[in-house]
Amino acid sequence: DTEVTQTPKHLVMGMTNKKSLKCEQHMGHRAMYWYKQKAKKPPELMFVYSYEKLSINESVPSRFSPECPNSSLLNLHLHALQPEDSALYLCASSPRQGPNQPQHFGDGTRLSIL
Amino acid sequence: AQKVTQAQTEISVVEKEDVTLDCVYETRDTTYYLFWYKQPPSGELVFLIRRNSFDEQNEISGRYSWNFQKSTSSFNFTITASQVVDSAVYFCAPLRPGSARQLTFGSGTQLTVLP
Repeated sequence: DTEVTQTPKHLVMGMTNKKSLKCEQHMGHRAMYWYKQKAKKPPELMFVYSYEKLSINESVPSRFSPECPNSSLLNLHLHALQPEDSALYLCASSPRQGPNQPQHFGDGTRLSIL
Repeated sequence: AQKVTQAQTEISVVEKEDVTLDCVYETRDTTYYLFWYKQPPSGELVFLIRRNSFDEQNEISGRYSWNFQKSTSSFNFTITASQVVDSAVYFCAPLRPGSARQLTFGSGTQLTVLP
């Protein structure tokens, strides 16, 4: 079991739907991350939150909207997604945002867009 | 620009064999960090090791060992006496330079250990 919990594990949605991915950690980490991973590809960074504030947005389309309501929770709101957005979405956390901070990952949410 | 190359896309070995996964990186930074992560079929990425550029000592952790050589810009990972549970994708991940300094994963090596 990982210490970063992601829900749901699987999600199938239509292009007009609105859904949210949830990530939770109780390790006291103050940096949280969203990654997107296509099949047989490495993870790609999407967003970084540091102390509940958005620190990095890797030019992600606005149909992905992150939210960090508190230090333990990270959400990714989805709206009007495209079929190419089908992927594994991974959440991670680290004690701080810094160059020597190993990240702890969740199991991911497998998202399929119909 | 920072770049990492994992030239081995897929490797298959038989259980109990030793296997080395290669990682070659390019960087203009004098101070940098390198990571290895494991991704089993279940999907989560598992942190294995962090190495900074000032520490060139090789490291051993059980059946895992890492050989960091700045002279050849390599950070190779060896599994001794491989087991079926070692089957996974292994990513080498140097830290991206600049103010963001975030992980940039290599393309990964799919390791399959056959019984």
